[in-house]
Amino acid sequence: GAVVSQHPSWVICKSGTSVKIECRSLDFQATTMFWYRQFPKQSLMLMATSNEGSKATYEQGVEKDKFLINHASLTLSTLTVTSAHPEDSSFYICSAREDRGKGYTFGSGTRLTVV
Amino acid sequence: GENVEQHPSTLSVQEGDSAVIKCTYSDSASNYFPWYKQELGKRPQLIIDIRSNVGEKKDQRIAVTLNKTAKHFSLHITETQPEDSAVYFCAARHPNTGNQFYFGTGTSLTVIP
Repeated sequence: GAVVSQHPSWVICKSGTSVKIECRSLDFQATTMFWYRQFPKQSLMLMATSNEGSKATYEQGVEKDKFLINHASLTLSTLTVTSAHPEDSSFYICSAREDRGKGYTFGSGTRLTVV
Repeated sequence: GENVEQHPSTLSVQEGDSAVIKCTYSDSASNYFPWYKQELGKRPQLIIDIRSNVGEKKDQRIAVTLNKTAKHFSLHITETQPEDSAVYFCAARHPNTGNQFYFGTGTSLTVIP
C-alpha cells in the first residue's frame, strides 16, 4: 500500500533555531499533503494543506511565517518550524492520499522538543 | 466549518466485551468518515471507513454505522482483546474544504485482560 516516509522521527533543538521536517510519498504521487500537530493526549489538529506547486493553505490561528511549508514536487513536502520556542514542542505528522486510494496514509510523525 | 465531537474520552472494557465509540458531525455535506487507531507514540492507522451512501460496514470484529439524518456515526469493536487498547479517532471529510479531515477528540480505550 501507499507509504509516507517522514523524517526526522524526533528532534531536539535550541530555542531560536529552525527545524525542517520532511514528508515523502513513496511509490505514489501526492498532489496534496496535510500537516497536523498533536499535543499529548489530544487530537490531531490540522495546521495547513500543502498543494504541489502552489502556496499552502493555513488554518486559522496558524502562523504561516512561523510554519513554512514547501511542496516542491509531487512526492515531497516540507514543514519548517522557524525560530522555534518551547511552546512549539509537539508531535507533527503529515498525511497524504494516493489518487483513488483508500483513505489517507500518515507519516510516522516527528516529535519536536525545543529546549 | 465542520465540527466533530467524540464520546467517550476514555473507555475501559473487560477482554471479550464490546466497545462502542460515538461521533457526531455538524455539516450534512460531509461524505466520508474514517476511523483511526493510534498506539502510543505512533502514527494513526486507518482501521475502517464509511461513505455517506452506506449505513453500515463491517470488517471482522470492527463495524461502523452511520446515521446521516442524525449526523452521527459509531465504531463498534466486538470480542475486544488487549491489543485493541489504543486511542481511537473519528474524522469527517467535507468535500468543499479541500478534502480536509476534521478529527474528533479521541477515545482512549483500555481492554482489561
